Amino acid sequence: AQKVTQAQTEISVVEKEDVTLDCVYETRDTTYYLFWYKQPPSGELVFLIRRNSFDEQNEISGRYSWNFQKSTSSFNFTITASQVVDSAVYFCALSEAKYSSASKIIFGSGTRLSIRP
Amino acid sequence: AAGVIQSPRHLIKEKRETATLKCYPIPRHDTVYWYQQGPGQDPQFLISFYEKMQSDKGSIPDRFSAQQFSDYHSELNMSSLELGDSALYFCASSLEETQYFGPGTRLLVL
Repeated sequence: AQKVTQAQTEISVVEKEDVTLDCVYETRDTTYYLFWYKQPPSGELVFLIRRNSFDEQNEISGRYSWNFQKSTSSFNFTITASQVVDSAVYFCALSEAKYSSASKIIFGSGTRLSIRP
Repeated sequence: AAGVIQSPRHLIKEKRETATLKCYPIPRHDTVYWYQQGPGQDPQFLISFYEKMQSDKGSIPDRFSAQQFSDYHSELNMSSLELGDSALYFCASSLEETQYFGPGTRLLVL
């Protein structure tokens, strides 16, 4: 069975601090996808990144970076120089890679990130 | 860029009433998914459609049904509504591996 664990329920930091959100996953699939989604207070789910299981290269996008380590089944997300607008609930998620795109996403329980001015 | 459209954005119903939620996927996306997010919870997968055929089913109550039409839009029909059905309902669409979510329909059952 697939499972995503986000052990950090809530994190609060002061603006401009760096913060890392942890994500650990379980799956028996050999091929899978990992995702991070952001849910701001307005409620929508915003796609941030997708990672294929066969690609362990880390990725950086502006102030965001992701560390994928297959050996520890982790896919951590770091925000550098955090800003108040980063305040949101962040979900790590997992889906099986099928021949078609119709794979459901399994979400973690989310980490609520609060950035204090 | 065009995004997933959901209507209505807010809905208030009484217990035992019915509700229909609509989803218009991103153009050329062939797969639609429905998720339910209760207060303070993560989104839970309900059902998906690929090329207008049901492709996967999650924890969707028997009181709920859904379909995808020839123009690829989808509708989630909910009958005999219960208080516990109050939630944020997301539709997502995809062409390949990434699901893009709509803004959600917030359903309140009184």
